[in-house]
Amino acid sequence: DTAVSQTPKYLVTQMGNDKSIKCEQNLGHDTMYWYKQDSKKFLKIMFSYNNKELIINETVPNRFSPKSPDKAHLNLHINSLELGDSAVYFCASSQYRGAGNGYTFGSGTRLTVV
Amino acid sequence: AQTVTQSQPEMSVQEAETVTLSCTYDTSESNYYLFWYKQPPSRQMILVIRQEAYKQQNATENRFSVNFQKAAKSFSLKISDSQLGDTAMYFCAFMTIQGGSEKLVFGKGTKLTVNP
Repeated sequence: DTAVSQTPKYLVTQMGNDKSIKCEQNLGHDTMYWYKQDSKKFLKIMFSYNNKELIINETVPNRFSPKSPDKAHLNLHINSLELGDSAVYFCASSQYRGAGNGYTFGSGTRLTVV
Repeated sequence: AQTVTQSQPEMSVQEAETVTLSCTYDTSESNYYLFWYKQPPSRQMILVIRQEAYKQQNATENRFSVNFQKAAKSFSLKISDSQLGDTAMYFCAFMTIQGGSEKLVFGKGTKLTVNP
């Protein structure tokens, strides 16, 4: 199936730990994104990569570091996890940068920090 | 900065009836794109409909249609013949293209419940 896939779907961890979320898309898109959805369902962009190049970096703490080994993958590593990091993290992708195409989203990773 | 406002946190409708979800946005750009996304309890984000700002014709996708009023910066979603499967969070979103980058900005969402 063509899709954006994220792993894991659920992640429960203790404060202070370091964790990673992986994202892969097989749609041939050239741009990938990370969004955070908070407990009130508000979605906010964190990062955007185009062909492995960082395009958008919102005011996200340095503890969050995206890594794009190739244009089909965009991983998110989080250091020293805090309670406030608990959220659902969505990966997304799009094609034809500048064409206003909608994003295709992954199914999300629910991160719970205890 | 662009902002998207959805003034209805929650709505409900009876099955088979029609419901309209409101969305307004604020921008100084002339070229932009507008979207409605659906997020059912499964958490998946699903693109419902897309509108290009330079097109006056309102977009339609089967039972879903929009009322795009560019001067008023309004972009409402009409769902006709509501079905139980339409129960979901609905997000209005706005995208501009600036300097070779594009960013999708979301409203806070409207929770729609379709009652049998």
